Amino acid sequence: DAGVTQSPTHLIKTRGQQVTLRCSPKSGHDTVSWYQQALGQGPQFIFQYYEEEERQRGNFPDRFSGHQFPNYSSELNVNALLLGDSALYLCASSLAETQYFGPGTRLLVL
Amino acid sequence: GQSLEQPSEVTAVEGAIVQINCTYQTSGFYGLSWYQQHDGGAPTFLSYNALDGLEETGRFSSFLSRSDSYGYLLLQELQMKDSASYFCAPPNDYKLSFGAGTTVTVRA
Repeated sequence: DAGVTQSPTHLIKTRGQQVTLRCSPKSGHDTVSWYQQALGQGPQFIFQYYEEEERQRGNFPDRFSGHQFPNYSSELNVNALLLGDSALYLCASSLAETQYFGPGTRLLVL
Repeated sequence: GQSLEQPSEVTAVEGAIVQINCTYQTSGFYGLSWYQQHDGGAPTFLSYNALDGLEETGRFSSFLSRSDSYGYLLLQELQMKDSASYFCAPPNDYKLSFGAGTTVTVRA
């Protein structure tokens, strides 16, 4: 049974560019959440998708947007990248309260 | 509002027992989850306490007291591979809230 997968694993972008990160949930999971983790910090909730709709959103600007597809996979888009967006981006999938994380995408903005 | 408190660092020797305390304040409360994260890795689910009491999973146990807004993770028979960051994370309105976590260092 495949766990949560994310792509790409690493990414380097420059300020002002746009990025799209992808996530495939664990088999049978219908909910996908995205988190941002800066170095030395805990993950911070960006938003959650359920039934192809954004169900809840954390304290992130509109530059962060997402999408969920009918097969439950999801994308995170970040526009107008800032240096401060450099972080590990984690996707987590769930069916109930327990969330299972993917390996993450490490984004570096130069 | 919401707040979480955990010790920032704990150091212990192999074979020892470590208890990581977590106190929290959340607007809604649905239990307490614990995650382990090794350097450079992703958070790995350890346990979830939906109700008060102790949950045991191998060498790790987790406890919750909702009336005291308090929980702990107990790591027994510490091994070098247990060196990692540990996060308590209350699920709240579908999301998980993480603090800065506790870095556990296991010495030989």
